[in-house]
Amino acid sequence: DSGVTQTPKHLITATGQRVTLRCSPRSGDLSVYWYQQSLDQGLQFLIQYYNGEERAKGNILERFSAQQFPDLHSELNLSSLELGDSALYFCASSVTGRGGYNEQFFGPGTRLTVL
Amino acid sequence: QQPVQSPQAVILREGEDAVINCSSSKALYSVHWYRQKHGEAPVFLMILLKGGEQKGHEKISASFNEKKQQSSLYLTASQLSYSGTYFCGTSFSGGYNKLIFGAGTRLAVHP
Repeated sequence: DSGVTQTPKHLITATGQRVTLRCSPRSGDLSVYWYQQSLDQGLQFLIQYYNGEERAKGNILERFSAQQFPDLHSELNLSSLELGDSALYFCASSVTGRGGYNEQFFGPGTRLTVL
Repeated sequence: QQPVQSPQAVILREGEDAVINCSSSKALYSVHWYRQKHGEAPVFLMILLKGGEQKGHEKISASFNEKKQQSSLYLTASQLSYSGTYFCGTSFSGGYNKLIFGAGTRLAVHP
């Protein structure tokens, strides 16, 4: 158990809908990262927050947005869902925002299925 | 800018050794190694930093050739529990910087 929690574990929805994925980092970690992993694919970095502020951005679609709240939990919002958005979404956290220096601890993931 | 991992897949018998490589076309600040079992979260193994610093599990062995922008993960005397997909993640700076992960190397260890 990494100490990172993600809810829900599974999410099944229809195309065109909007969903919210939630992540709570490990106690003491200030930075949160979101990744997308499609079936049997690698980890695609979406976005990073550090202490409430956006710090790094990957190839995140405009339909996707995220934020980190004062209590440091983070939410990833996915809207106008398409079939291709079906994937495992992982949240990771680290002590600082230095993504290249600190190890990242991954949560169990949210499996999103768009029908 | 995605790092290239090789081989794509490895099949071992228990007790055999394997080396997984990760190379980048751009100068690296650090290389991170993670192992992921099917349907589970990636688990941190090791970080190798520019300048020689390493952080991670004592039982994991890896190297980082800064000049060649390459890292290798050494799995010796493999156990069944080593099975999974190994990902390297690369970073180009030590600041607020994302990790770019390779496509992964699938390792299967059989009795």
